[in-house]
Amino acid sequence: SAVISQKPSRDICQRGTSLTIQCQVDSQVTMMFWYRQQPGQSLTLIATANQGSEATYESGFVIDKFPISRPNLTFSTLTVSNMSPEDSSIYLCSVEKWQDNEQFFGPGTRLTVL
Amino acid sequence: KQEVTQIPAALSVPEGENLVLNCSFTDSAIYNLQWFRQDPGKGLTSLLLIQSSQREQTSGRLNASLDKSSGRSTLYIAASQPGDSATYLCALTQGGSEKLVFGKGTKLTVNP
Repeated sequence: SAVISQKPSRDICQRGTSLTIQCQVDSQVTMMFWYRQQPGQSLTLIATANQGSEATYESGFVIDKFPISRPNLTFSTLTVSNMSPEDSSIYLCSVEKWQDNEQFFGPGTRLTVL
Repeated sequence: KQEVTQIPAALSVPEGENLVLNCSFTDSAIYNLQWFRQDPGKGLTSLLLIQSSQREQTSGRLNASLDKSSGRSTLYIAASQPGDSATYLCALTQGGSEKLVFGKGTKLTVNP
């Protein structure tokens, strides 16, 4: 398995500001992902964080709104930019240690935008 | 487009009961299927992974089966306990992509 931590665990932010969420894994992993879980909904993939290159975004998500960094094989950040109340969600990172294998999730970051 | 459905959306059972959670999917060309539990306000805990060549996996009181031809997976929980109360999510990947496609989950309540 993998031990994954996220910072912050929760935050309350004002409309128009940005928040950067960190994801740290206890070992090197091949794949890192960012998901969003809106209230009462299931999880939706935002993007795949690629080490050393630009993230791969899913339909409906763009780099200007959700810039992602992955400087090495154990760390990634997701920024939620120019926030609106509709961005209020739980944001989760997940990792896959070996290709085509089990995915593990972090504890999530609960974001509330006022 | 792959769609994952979990029925029922909510389930309440007395402690000690054996129960089955269902997951169905529209495209049988899947690669892996994973079952997770999510406690309120928390992240996801991986329970079982069934890879494409497998038909079932077991861990303790949990058994998950996969029938790709019929587009179904089931999660069997034996001798349920109040600590099993959580939302159970199934998710799958398809060939060529690591993206997990999730169902909306079944919220399980086990009453003492």
